[in-house]
Amino acid sequence: GENVEQHPSTLSVQEGDSAVIKCTYSDSASNYFPWYKQELGKGPQLIIDIRSNVGEKKDQRIAVTLNKTAKHFSLHITETQPEDSAVYFCAASNNAGNMLTFGGGTRLMVKP
Amino acid sequence: GAVVSQHPSWVICKSGTSVKIECRSLDFQATTMFWYRQFPKQSLMLMATSNEGSKATYEQGVEKDKFLINHASLTLSTLTVTSAHPEDSSFYICRTYRTAYEQYFGPGTRLTVT
Repeated sequence: GENVEQHPSTLSVQEGDSAVIKCTYSDSASNYFPWYKQELGKGPQLIIDIRSNVGEKKDQRIAVTLNKTAKHFSLHITETQPEDSAVYFCAASNNAGNMLTFGGGTRLMVKP
Repeated sequence: GAVVSQHPSWVICKSGTSVKIECRSLDFQATTMFWYRQFPKQSLMLMATSNEGSKATYEQGVEKDKFLINHASLTLSTLTVTSAHPEDSSFYICRTYRTAYEQYFGPGTRLTVT
């Protein structure tokens, strides 16, 4: 089955700096890669996703890149703000049964 | 607005009692519901997958007699933790989808067993 690894597990940045979170996956059939933000005591919320036919996608301060050859994808947050502090999860799916395999999560702390 | 609701948002129960958690899709039919549990500072662990009108499929190591899942309608799936014990205390989250690219999580239920 699919295996997703996520790094780093914790990340501390200064407000205004950029944050990068990286994930690798094992199943070359995976073709959908969402990123979720989870605040304390809440369910995960989708922040951005990318499909395998695209190499990069951007939404304001958030961008995701995908390298299918190397089987890795990354989340980039620019101009970080304290409200970006949360746990971020990457996931991979091959649409078979709509299964999502999650990475271990990254706790992002943005210091004001 | 919310696409998937989950109730209750938090519950405290005594050891040995049962607790039911409901997950509803609000404006579409949820054929499949995934149930996760999440311990503090850990990732989501898939417990089971339920399809409307059929028995749930449980992940290895998850006791199906302890975590009863019912998916009797296309808008409601329930997870019942039977004879709860303190080690069952966790954050329980449901997930469903409208299409392969529209995945929705419930807001989660914090269960504390005393």
